[in-house]
Amino acid sequence: NAGVMQNPRHLVRRRGQEARLRCSPMKGHSHVYWYRQLPEEGLKFMVYLQKENIIDESGMPKERFSAEFPKEGPSILRIQQVVRGDSAAYFCASSPRQNVAYNSPLHFGNGTRLTVT
Amino acid sequence: LAKTTQPISMDSYEGQEVNITCSHNNIATNDYITWYQQFPSQGPRFIIQGYKTKVTNEVASLFIPADRKSSTLSLPRVSLSDTAVYYCLLDYKLSFGAGTTVTVRA
Repeated sequence: NAGVMQNPRHLVRRRGQEARLRCSPMKGHSHVYWYRQLPEEGLKFMVYLQKENIIDESGMPKERFSAEFPKEGPSILRIQQVVRGDSAAYFCASSPRQNVAYNSPLHFGNGTRLTVT
Repeated sequence: LAKTTQPISMDSYEGQEVNITCSHNNIATNDYITWYQQFPSQGPRFIIQGYKTKVTNEVASLFIPADRKSSTLSLPRVSLSDTAVYYCLLDYKLSFGAGTTVTVRA
């Protein structure tokens, strides 16, 4: 049973370009969570999605960032017009049920490391 | 949302037991306590989860007092490969914080 798959593992973008990060949850998981980790810091929650729905985007920057989890295919975190401050590791996690209500642990991928030059 | 506090770092030697305490004074009634381990360049890995009293699995034990205002992760007989950052988490929405960097020496 494959774990959470994220690609690409490394992504380099110039300032002003768009970055697309993909996440395929574990088989049978319909809840996806995105986190960002800056160097020497812990993970910060960005957004929580269920198939075709954004459940909680309270940690998402108001501009340039968006996320989706379509009925078919992976979840996508999209960053438009990237700036140097967007350089970080972006982690995706999945769970079979709602984490809070059913105390379902999160299963993480190994992240995408975005570098903005 | 409840916030957690952990020591920044802990040092140990191979074969010793390591205990990491996480404080969460404002834990909510429906919050479970979950611990994760993270190695460099990898995502966090689930270790153990509990609600109250004691939970044990093949890699760790978790002790939670009756008031649930803290929890202690216990790693028995650590090895060099246990060197990592350890996080306690109550709610997916909370930042993981800086975690506890455990360094195991030979």
